[in-house]
Amino acid sequence: DAMVIQNPRYQVTQFGKPVTLSCSQTLNHNVMYWYQQKSSQAPKLLFHYYDKDFNNEADTPDNFQSRRPNTSFCFLDIRSPGLGDAAMYLCATRGRAGETQYFGPGTRLLVL
Amino acid sequence: QKEVEQNSGPLSVPEGAIASLNCTYSDRGSQSFFWYRQYSGKSPELIMSIYSNGDKEDGRFTAQLNKASQYVSLLIRDSQPSDSATYLCAASGGGADGLTFGKGTHLIIQP
Repeated sequence: DAMVIQNPRYQVTQFGKPVTLSCSQTLNHNVMYWYQQKSSQAPKLLFHYYDKDFNNEADTPDNFQSRRPNTSFCFLDIRSPGLGDAAMYLCATRGRAGETQYFGPGTRLLVL
Repeated sequence: QKEVEQNSGPLSVPEGAIASLNCTYSDRGSQSFFWYRQYSGKSPELIMSIYSNGDKEDGRFTAQLNKASQYVSLLIRDSQPSDSATYLCAASGGGADGLTFGKGTHLIIQP
């Protein structure tokens, strides 16, 4: 059974057109993360939520925003996608400190 | 700045042999260490986690951690063609810290 679900799996958007990626989890985990992974690169942490507390990485562009309306759902909003934002976006969740992060299948974003 | 370093490879190993993957990390405050396997176009899949110095074995996989040397390794015994993938080493501090990943080692198991 899927524990971390991401929708859509593939997203094509136009340069500058806002896009929202969705993540949901059935694990009831406190912490949810968003990572960006570009081709042949390591996943890079964008931000995370501990419950409703939002934590932004220092080098995450302002173009990226996130919302977590409840424990189960988290959204990644890209306000004005550029060509350089084409990547795989990975959502992950974690329960207690130090425990494993569970990754969703990812959303591959293409910007035309 | 927290960094995790891995040799990008490719590392080519004959089927049935032992594959040895290594990484080093820069942040001495890191407390949790993970090895993820990632097939092309897929999301990372956890292989092993390790939290204390020494070895941890799970089936064909053994993770080793040496905090004094800031070094983590993964051994894969009896390598199979299905083990061909990119292996990501990751480190995490305490609290709700996210993972700092290395760039990954591309492993090829030759039939």
